[in-house]
Amino acid sequence: DAGVTQSPTHLIKTRGQQVTLRCSPKSGHDTVSWYQQALGQGPQFIFQYYEEEERQRGNFPDRFSGHQFPNYSSELNVNALLLGDSALYLCASSYRDLRSTNEKLFFGSGTQLSVL
Amino acid sequence: GNSVTQMEGPVTLSEEAFLTINCTYTATGYPSLFWYVQYPGEGLQLLLKATKADDKGSNKGFEATYRKETTSFHLEKGSVQVSDSAVYFCALFIQGAQKLVFGQGTRLTINP
Repeated sequence: DAGVTQSPTHLIKTRGQQVTLRCSPKSGHDTVSWYQQALGQGPQFIFQYYEEEERQRGNFPDRFSGHQFPNYSSELNVNALLLGDSALYLCASSYRDLRSTNEKLFFGSGTQLSVL
Repeated sequence: GNSVTQMEGPVTLSEEAFLTINCTYTATGYPSLFWYVQYPGEGLQLLLKATKADDKGSNKGFEATYRKETTSFHLEKGSVQVSDSAVYFCALFIQGAQKLVFGQGTRLTINP
């Protein structure tokens, strides 16, 4: 059983460009969350997708957008890249059960984005 | 608001030393608490968790107890190994928002 898979593993872009990162959730999971981890920092929540809609959003500008497909996979898009967008982008999947207090998030290995 | 504060690193210990990494939190309500570990070049792995006050999470010799009175969740291990070298993150889970709030991480290096 494959876990959470992300692609690509590394990416180099220049300022002003646009980037798309991809995530396939763990089998049986229907919810995908994206986190940004800047160098030396803890991950920060970007947004979460469930039933192909954005359900929760962190404090990130509209340049960050996403999508979830019917097969539950997800994309993260960042427009007009800034140097400060350089970070490790982590995808986490889970099965959405709001009745449960028992979080079960599984993380991918991330995509390392460098903006030059 | 919701936040997590971790002991600043880096932390360097000798093999078989006792480890403590401090973590305190601020939260509305009663969050679940977690420790995640990140090995070089990898994503986050759940190390242990506790879902209510006085619960003790444990895994691979690591332990942490959910202390509501001190809003803390300190990570401990009695005898560390070189293979424990990694970055450790304390986090809280906000059920309504279905998201994790992480501390800044503590880099741990164990020397043989």
